[in-house]
Amino acid sequence: DTGVSQDPRHKITKRGQNVTFRCDPISEHNRLYWYRQTLGQGPEFLTYFQNEAQLEKSRLLSDRFSAERPKGSFSTLEIQRTEQGDSAMYLCASSNQVYNSPLHFGNGTRLTVT
Amino acid sequence: DQQVKQNSPSLSVQEGRISILNCDYTNSMFDYFLWYKKYPAEGPTFLISISSIKDKNEDGRFTVFLNKSAKHLSLHIVPSQPGDSAVYFCAASASNFGNEKLTFGTGTRLTIIP
Repeated sequence: DTGVSQDPRHKITKRGQNVTFRCDPISEHNRLYWYRQTLGQGPEFLTYFQNEAQLEKSRLLSDRFSAERPKGSFSTLEIQRTEQGDSAMYLCASSNQVYNSPLHFGNGTRLTVT
Repeated sequence: DQQVKQNSPSLSVQEGRISILNCDYTNSMFDYFLWYKKYPAEGPTFLISISSIKDKNEDGRFTVFLNKSAKHLSLHIVPSQPGDSAVYFCAASASNFGNEKLTFGTGTRLTIIP
């Protein structure tokens, strides 16, 4: 069982730098989600792809954030000009478009902006 | 505006006893509810779910109860085991979202005392 895979697991960067995270969903899943989790909070929805189409974006996703899923398989999330407030766990999840199917999450990328 | 609320940040239960975790929601459009379990440095893992057409769903030691009129759900774990120590998140979605986008609560840290 090759669950959802995220890389890197940890990223430390200086404020103002750009960072990119990768997510590989479960292979037969055509829906992919990005969430962000900060300390003491539950995961918060950022954006959602069905195949290669980005169908929904949260207002949390400022213009410094961009997500892509070029071939409908893996996805990348890029943060430009990072700020200390971007420090969080970034979680990717996938699902197979079956009614009421649960999301399957990866282990996340922990970003620390110094 | 917190649409899914878990008002108990933490809960301690003796091994072998029943653990009851509670969750309240405000959005009447939610019609599918899930519980996720999260260990440190891992992503959330799906535990159990319930559709709004039911008021109870069981899976082994885990039972979820839904009271739609009160907009309340609870997770019962019996008997509680040390491996159940984790953070538990309640989550909800609405079929009219057109996808499985989840809104999460802030989590309850469950500690099982041996």
